[in-house]
This record gives sequence, structure tokens and C-alpha cells, in this order.
Amino acid sequence: EDQVTQSPEALRLQEGESSSLNCSYTVSGLRGLFWYRQDPGKGPEFLFTLYSAGEEKEKERLKATLTKKESFLHITAPKPEDSATYLCAVQSGGGADGLTFGKGTHLIIQP
Amino acid sequence: GAGVSQSPSNKVTEKGKDVELRCDPISGHTALYWYRQSLGQGLEFLIYFQGNSAPDKSGLPSDRFSAERTGGSVSTLTIQRTQQEDSAVYLCASSVAGTSGQIQYFGPGTRLLVL
Repeated sequence: EDQVTQSPEALRLQEGESSSLNCSYTVSGLRGLFWYRQDPGKGPEFLFTLYSAGEEKEKERLKATLTKKESFLHITAPKPEDSATYLCAVQSGGGADGLTFGKGTHLIIQP
Repeated sequence: GAGVSQSPSNKVTEKGKDVELRCDPISGHTALYWYRQSLGQGLEFLIYFQGNSAPDKSGLPSDRFSAERTGGSVSTLTIQRTQQEDSAVYLCASSVAGTSGQIQYFGPGTRLLVL
């Protein structure tokens, strides 16, 4: 059974204070690892897809990396508008086509 | 262009009643997914449609849940004899194709409250 564990559950940072969010996963054949951002009352918004260990992707203040067991979402010099819940999900070769999600990291950036 | 749309945005119903939730995927997307997000829980996969193929129902929690997709586009998720534990946000997503690693784009969700 595919499993995704995100840590920490919640993180409070000062504006400009860089940090990383962790996503540990167990899958039977990784087809893709996805990062989404979810604002209160809205659906998840796609950020990144990573397919193989060693891959990295960047977008503005965010950078996602992938190893064989985990992914990190690095946030550099965050701003208050980066406050949201960040979700990690995997799609495996185990049969089911839906994504398996972690419970998310609730990030608060204080001005 | 237009994203995934869902209706209604909110639904309040009484225990035992049936409800229907609707999803309009992004135009041209052949794959459609339903998920459930309960308070304090992660998103839970429910069902997947790819074109005209038989749906993958592996995530449906009970036989009270069913879904259909008409004409390869709009989908309806039906919950019969609703229970209080069915209260959650129901999210729909679509992707260009159901192949490996395709990005799923989500709608805003339907917030269901069963009293």
C-alpha cells in the first residue's frame, strides 16, 4: 500500500526566514511525485511534478527535490502570501490511478 | 481558459437523503478523478474515469457511493442514504490523459454537510 508522510504538520516562519518541508513516501514503482498548494476553501493548485531521483524544479521562491525515499519543498525568503497548506502526493505503478496524498504541512509566514 | 468547475459549492442535507455532486472537467481532458477531503485527513481517492473505459472504482468507501460520466465529459458523484461521516469536501480533478505522471488539475470542491 502506498504511503505518504509529511512533516512538520505545521510551520510558522518569519517573513524572509527560509525553510524546508519534507515528504517521505513508500510506493510500488513511482510514476510521479506531485506538490500542490491549497488555500482555505479552495481546491489544490498544482506546483511541481518530479519523476525520478535527483530531479529538481524551481518556481519563484519554491524549489522541489526528489530522492528515492523523500522529497523536499524548499522555501527561500518566504513572503506572507506563501502562507497555505502544501500537499505532497504520489502516483504509483501499483494499480490504482488516483494520487495518494499526505496530510499536508500548514505553513504560516508572519510579516 | 476555464478550469474544472463543480456544483453545488455547498450542500446541506439530512441523514438518509441522496445527494448528487457535479463536475465539469477542463475541455479536452479525457481523465477525470473524484477525491474526498475530510476534516484533518488527507485527500482520499474515490474513483477514476479514462475516456470510455470502465472506471476504476477501487477507492469508493461503500456501495452507497457511485459515479457516472456522460459523453466522456461531465461527471456526477451520487451518495445514497447519506450518513454524518460522509460530511467532507468532495474534489474533482481532470488531466489531459490517464497516462503516467499526468498533472491533475483540481476544481474548487463541493462542501457537503450531513445533519
